[in-house]
Amino acid sequence: QQQVKQSPQSLIVQKGGISIINCAYENTAFDYFPWYQQFPGKGPALLIAIRPDVSEKKEGRFTISFNKSAKQFSLHIMDSQPGDSATYFCAAPSGYSTLTFGKGTMLLVSP
Amino acid sequence: DAGITQSPRHKVTETGTPVTLRCHQTENHRYMYWYRQDPGHGLRLIHYSYGVKDTDKGEVSDGYSVSRSKTEDFLLTLESATSSQTSVYFCAISDHGTVNTEAFFGQGTRLTVV
Repeated sequence: QQQVKQSPQSLIVQKGGISIINCAYENTAFDYFPWYQQFPGKGPALLIAIRPDVSEKKEGRFTISFNKSAKQFSLHIMDSQPGDSATYFCAAPSGYSTLTFGKGTMLLVSP
Repeated sequence: DAGITQSPRHKVTETGTPVTLRCHQTENHRYMYWYRQDPGHGLRLIHYSYGVKDTDKGEVSDGYSVSRSKTEDFLLTLESATSSQTSVYFCAISDHGTVNTEAFFGQGTRLTVV
């Protein structure tokens, strides 16, 4: 069974700073690693995903860095904004059509 | 938002009673999922469906059953609710499975078992 370890559990960053969230997974036969973002009272929504034929993927201020040999990947949020305050979940494949999610990181960006 | 409707949005029920949560989609996606979200545990998969009448268990399936008689509807049933099933339940849909494509989540159902 897939296990995904996510850290930190919570994070406070000043506006304009860099937010970094880390995840580690066990084994997977499929290469697809997404990050989901969840605002209070809402369902999670896909933020960014990577297929590790590349080691990094960038979309605007959000970047996924992937280390396949270490089985680790991380989310970097550059120039963090108060509107980025949310809970972030990483995920890794646990089967052909299912994901295992990390326990989440609650990010607060202070003004 | 993707066309996903969860009902009810909130429910309070007594221990031992049966409860059914409904997920309805208008996107004609093949895959549908039920997750529960609890503090400190993140999102955990309960059951999922890969087609009409095709379902499989997730990591926390004990005490839950599901049914999918139409593409658009996926029902989650707690046969005899327990306090440990107090949680927020999310339905998600995906066209080709969450390993390949984006999952779209509903707004959630907050269930309290007293």
